[in-house]
Amino acid sequence: AQSVTQPDIHITVSEGASLELRCNYSYGATPYLFWYVQSPGQGLQLLLKYFSGDTLVQGIKGFEAEFKRSQSSFNLRKPSVHWSDAAEYFCAVGVGNTDKLIFGTGTRLQVFP
Amino acid sequence: EPEVTQTPSHQVTQMGQEVILRCVPISNHLYFYWYRQILGQKVEFLVSFYNNEISEKSEIFDDQFSVERPDGSNFTLKIRSTKLEDSAMYFCASSAIRNTEAFFGQGTRLTVV
Repeated sequence: AQSVTQPDIHITVSEGASLELRCNYSYGATPYLFWYVQSPGQGLQLLLKYFSGDTLVQGIKGFEAEFKRSQSSFNLRKPSVHWSDAAEYFCAVGVGNTDKLIFGTGTRLQVFP
Repeated sequence: EPEVTQTPSHQVTQMGQEVILRCVPISNHLYFYWYRQILGQKVEFLVSFYNNEISEKSEIFDDQFSVERPDGSNFTLKIRSTKLEDSAMYFCASSAIRNTEAFFGQGTRLTVV
C-alpha cells in the first residue's frame, strides 16, 4: 500500500536559517507529489507540486522541493526561514489509480527570532 | 483568487444528532473531496465525488456518511448519527482535473459532545 513518511515531527530553526523538511514515500511508480502548509486555525495551502519533468520544483513563499527517485524522497527546502513560516507542513502523494491524496503525519515548524 | 469556502467554521453537536457540513468548491472544478483530520493525527481521505456520484470512498466513509451536490454549487457532507469519534476537522477540497492539485477550504471543526 502507498504510504508517506515525514520522519521529523517537530523542527525548530532560527529565523534566517536554512530549512529542509524530509518526505519519503512508498509507491511502485512515480506518484504525484505535493507539499501543503497549514497555519494555526487555517486550512491547507498548496506550496508546490511535482508531476513530471524537472525534479527541482519551485513553489510559493520561496520554497522549493526536489524529487529524488532513487531515494523515494521529495524534501522541502527554503534557504532562509522567516518567522511567518511557522506552521505545520504536510507532504502528500497522489497515485494514478485513485482519487485520493495520501498525507504524511506532518512536521511542525517552529521559528525563533 | 478563487477559493474553496466551508461553513460553518465550527460546529458543536450532541452525539446521535445529524450534521451537515457545507462547502462551495471553486466554480470551474469538477472533482470534489472530503478529508478529515482528527486532532493530532494525519489528514485522511473520506470520499471523492465526480459527475454527481461518488467515485471513491475510504473505509471511514460508512453508511453514516453521505455526500451531495444539491444545487450545482454547494457540496455537502452529512453525518447521520454523530459519534464522539467523529470529532475532527473536516476539509473540503476541489480540483479541476482528477488527481492534480486539490485546493482545500479552511475546514469545519466538528465537536461531538
